[in-house]
Amino acid sequence: RKEVEQDPGPFNVPEGATVAFNCTYSNSASQSFFWYRQDCRKEPKLLMSVYSSGNEDGRFTAQLNRASQYISLLIRDSKLSDSATYLCVVSRTGGGNKLTFGTGTQLKVEL
Amino acid sequence: ETGVTQSPTHLIKTRGQQVTLRCSSQSGHNTVSWYQQALGQGPQFIFQYYREEENGRGNFPPRFSGLQFPNYSSELNVNALELDDSALYLCASSLGGGQPWLTDTQYFGPGTRLTVL
Repeated sequence: RKEVEQDPGPFNVPEGATVAFNCTYSNSASQSFFWYRQDCRKEPKLLMSVYSSGNEDGRFTAQLNRASQYISLLIRDSKLSDSATYLCVVSRTGGGNKLTFGTGTQLKVEL
Repeated sequence: ETGVTQSPTHLIKTRGQQVTLRCSSQSGHNTVSWYQQALGQGPQFIFQYYREEENGRGNFPPRFSGLQFPNYSSELNVNALELDDSALYLCASSLGGGQPWLTDTQYFGPGTRLTVL
């Protein structure tokens, strides 16, 4: 079983739609959680950290359920520019140490 | 831009050869991590260097080795290349590294795309 599991997609959605990505992690010692975004043939970039209380950044909302070892990302009012691969990432310590990535979920936002 | 640079951008090698990839960390960062990303997969942790010492290693064979220099730039060396080594190699820099309680962010460079024929 992979340490971080994601639905690979692709998710094809119309512009303006709301889309949700889910992720589960197997290591209960994980302490830090992130969503990274990766455009085609580019490097991953931090989208947002994920906190137990849930957090929001504009159209993006992240949730963490430690009991279920489950992380989610909600994107509201999708834009064409949101098309990318979204990587769920966990770390057993702070984010400056080893990051464990899921395989990523591909999102395509269409007109 | 993150300020993390990598060279070369692309590289083609044949099986059995050796390769050296280079990474310059963001100014002020003392930690460099290396990741391998195969096509269709998420990045996999290779190892991390903190102040010139290896500070953690993933599940990669010893033919993957590295160095960090006093200016905190880093090299990844791969010996006896295999076809499965074809991947995007990413380095990421961060501040702190060896301190487990830090939640500092890792900033990725653009990567080196290695093809092994």
